Amino acid sequence: NAGVTQTPKFQVLKTGQSMTLQCAQDMNHEYMSWYRQDPGMGLRLIHYSVGAGITDQGEVPNGYNVSRSTTEDFPLRLLSAAPSQTSVYFCASSRTGVGGYTFGSGTRLTVV
Amino acid sequence: AQSVTQLGSHVSVSEGALVLLRCNYSSSVPPYLFWYVQYPNQGLQLLLKYTTGATLVKGINGFEAEFKKSETSFHLTKPSAHMSDAAEYFCAVIDSGAGSYQLTFGKGTKLSVIP
Repeated sequence: NAGVTQTPKFQVLKTGQSMTLQCAQDMNHEYMSWYRQDPGMGLRLIHYSVGAGITDQGEVPNGYNVSRSTTEDFPLRLLSAAPSQTSVYFCASSRTGVGGYTFGSGTRLTVV
Repeated sequence: AQSVTQLGSHVSVSEGALVLLRCNYSSSVPPYLFWYVQYPNQGLQLLLKYTTGATLVKGINGFEAEFKKSETSFHLTKPSAHMSDAAEYFCAVIDSGAGSYQLTFGKGTKLSVIP
């Protein structure tokens, strides 16, 4: 089992560019989530999904878009990158939610 | 809405000393509670969790936490700190009344272990 795989690990974008952060899990988990981690802020929920075809907004959704066409994949799209989106992004998945989430190793994004 | 407060953004202990990381939560319904650990440049790893049943839960690497409903607390402890425990620790809660089962995190506590 690979667990939760995030690509790329590092990315530098120019302001206004768009890109997709990839997240894939091979554990057949229904619940998937995207977080951003900023110093002193903990992890904040961007978007989440409770199953294929079902997504919803978290605490900080502005500037991001998601879709969940398969159980395995949950990509995060930055529509027009801004310096405020410089952060470390984590994807996580869970079978039931309350059993705990498995996290990917993160994508470090810098927007210049 | 639930929230999590971790007291102390940075805690230093001597090797062999007791580790105590504090976490208080607010939730209008019985919570599910978690502690995660993050080593530098890595993702988060689940240390332990409380869902139902015994209020004292044991996790990996010798850590344990006790759910105290009356104090709305879920403090993390370890009797004797090792150098390898140096990391950032996050307390998190899931609101059992919300169907989304999403984690809400505290801001984290960075643990330093002094030789």
